[in-house]
Amino acid sequence: GQQLNQSPQSMFIQEGEDVSMNCTSSSIFNTWLWYKQDPGEGPVLLIALYKAGELTSNGRLTAQFGITRKDSFLNISASIPSDVGIYFCAGPDAMTTDSWGKLQFGAGTQVVVTP
Amino acid sequence: EAGVAQSPRYKIIEKRQSVAFWCNPISGHATLYWYQQILGQGPKLLIQFQNNGVVDDSQLPKDRFSAERLKGVDSTLKIQPAKLEDSAVYLCASSSRTSGGRETQYFGPGTRLLVL
Repeated sequence: GQQLNQSPQSMFIQEGEDVSMNCTSSSIFNTWLWYKQDPGEGPVLLIALYKAGELTSNGRLTAQFGITRKDSFLNISASIPSDVGIYFCAGPDAMTTDSWGKLQFGAGTQVVVTP
Repeated sequence: EAGVAQSPRYKIIEKRQSVAFWCNPISGHATLYWYQQILGQGPKLLIQFQNNGVVDDSQLPKDRFSAERLKGVDSTLKIQPAKLEDSAVYLCASSSRTSGGRETQYFGPGTRLLVL
């Protein structure tokens, strides 16, 4: 099956700094999703990407669908304390004919923001 | 709109005991998912329902795990008997398809299971 590799595993940053993380796949994805999980909660969808090369923003978040369709990037600008959490990349299993449904998740990037 | 509800939020059991989790999806969502999230990992899909039918249960350990969604709304996930390695967060998610064919999975808060 597909493998999603996220890096870095964790990041300790100061408030106001920018954050970058990425996700790579062993095979092609048709959709890339970025989720955030707060402690004790379920993941929440931040950004969805549907086309190679697509660049999409959601407030201070910007994500890109890599041209090779095997990678994606998430950037957070001017981090604030509430950005703390685990960020996951995910995508539907390419073996399914349905473009959604069976999602594969990366292992996550833990972000810690210090004042 | 109310989100995905799950109960209990926490459960501690001894190995070889049985446990059941309950999920109430967002009203009107036809698709329901159960995921297992082991500490330090991303969620892993266990089973997917479309209304009251199973779409995919290829990653469900069927010798000990079972799930049902009898009336196409609420769902229960059961583990019998539990093993130490079943300690994890069990997440329920639901979704509905937009007119454009896309869908967003909305997750519940999860049930944290500790098997001793």
